[in-house]
Amino acid sequence: QVQLVQSGAEVKKPGASVKVSCKASGYPFTNFYTFWVRQAPGQGLEWLGTINSSGGATRTTLKFRDRVSLSRDTSTSTVYMEMDMLTSEDTAVYYCARARGVGNDGTYPFDHWGQGTLVTVSS
Amino acid sequence: DIQMTQSPSTLSASVGDRVTITCRTGQNINTNLAWYQQKPGKAPQLLIYEASSLESGVPSRFSGSGSGTEFTLSISSLQPDDFATYYCQHYHYFWTFGPGTRVEIE
Repeated sequence: QVQLVQSGAEVKKPGASVKVSCKASGYPFTNFYTFWVRQAPGQGLEWLGTINSSGGATRTTLKFRDRVSLSRDTSTSTVYMEMDMLTSEDTAVYYCARARGVGNDGTYPFDHWGQGTLVTVSS
Repeated sequence: DIQMTQSPSTLSASVGDRVTITCRTGQNINTNLAWYQQKPGKAPQLLIYEASSLESGVPSRFSGSGSGTEFTLSISSLQPDDFATYYCQHYHYFWTFGPGTRVEIE
């Protein structure tokens, strides 16, 4: 079955960086785009960026373009999200998710999600 | 970015009620719209895609409609398991979520 398993919770100080991983299994990894979404405490869902799991091309929402980088390792079917210059406003649960379809630049909804990774930024 | 609004922000209802949530977008997105259900502490679950297609395994009491800039999610007979927060999402070149609608017990 399709599974996305994320790395564990992180506690970081302001100004630090965090790197969250998302290991995929149960499907041909390079056929599907992967997405990153975050949710601050008590708030809604916010799309951060997308990576083509095959070619590695990425798209990031303008708000995070200078601070978020996405990468993937096809040998381990793992995608990574790294965020720099953390502030307390980055405290949130970060999710990875898979596109519901293949190709089409990944313009699909998200049909499978990781369990979420809590990133806490605190001095 | 395409702006997304949802109404109402909170909906109080009883088991057995029919409920409807509306999502509006700032520009025409054809039918590139999805609906998700999220329960506290859990990842969202895809309910509806392409505005009106039911995701596999989702109960048939859920339905979606609309195109262009106005969309609705309906639950025909609210069940105890349906009390949750619902988000619309467009996937028209990029991806944006609506602010959410919390469905609570009246």
